[in-house]
Amino acid sequence: NAGVMQNPRHLVRRRGQEARLRCSPMKGHSHVYWYRQLPEEGLKFMVYLQKENIIDESGMPKERFSAEFPKEGPSILRIQQVVRGDSAAYFCASSPNAATLANEKLFFGSGTQLSVL
Amino acid sequence: DAKTTQPTSMDCAEGRAANLPCNHSTISGNEYVYWYRQIHSQGPQYIIHGLKNNETNEMASLIITEDRKSSTLILPHATLRDTAVYYCIVRVRAGGGNKLTFGTGTQLKVEL
Repeated sequence: NAGVMQNPRHLVRRRGQEARLRCSPMKGHSHVYWYRQLPEEGLKFMVYLQKENIIDESGMPKERFSAEFPKEGPSILRIQQVVRGDSAAYFCASSPNAATLANEKLFFGSGTQLSVL
Repeated sequence: DAKTTQPTSMDCAEGRAANLPCNHSTISGNEYVYWYRQIHSQGPQYIIHGLKNNETNEMASLIITEDRKSSTLILPHATLRDTAVYYCIVRVRAGGGNKLTFGTGTQLKVEL
C-alpha cells in the first residue's frame, strides 16, 4: 500500500519559469493538503482540496500560485513565474474521505524541494 | 485553534526516555492535542493524539495534565532514529477538513 507520492523530489527552475509539483494521495484518500516549508522555518498550510473542489485556500499567495485536484490523476500545485523566494520544500498530505477516526491523521509525502536560480 | 509553547531543543541519551513538554494553557474543551514529528528532509509523521485521557501506542505515550493546560510526549526508549523536530498541535476535531497549524516545534537530538 503505497504512501503519498510526490514528484519530482527535486525541481530546479530559473526565475520566470513555471513549476509544477505533483501529489498522488494514498489509495482511498480524497482529501489533499499542500504545505510549504521555507528554509529554517516551520510548515505553513497553503491549500486544502477534495476531488475537483478547493475547500480552503487561505494560505495560498494571492498571485502566481494555483492548485487543482482533478477527478482523475494527481493533485497539482502550480507556481507561475517563479522567484527566488519560492525556493522551499513543498509537502503534500492526504486523509481519507470518510468522516471517521481515520480522518484524524494526515499522511505526508516526502516533499518536493524547489530551487529557483 | 489554541496556541502551543514548546522548548526549542532538547537532548536525550540513546536508550533513555525522552520527555517532550508542551504548554497549551488556552486550550478549549473540544480541542485535541496532536503530536507529529519531522525527521530531517522528510515529511511530517503522525505520532499520537488525545483529548484528556493518557494515550499510548507503539510509538509513544501522551500524558495530559488534569487541567489540560499542558502535556508531555514520552518516547520510552529513544534511539538515534528518533532525532527529529517534534510538533505539538492543538486543534478542534472536525470531520472533513484536517488542516494543521504547525509551530516551530522541539528539536530533539538523541546521542550515544
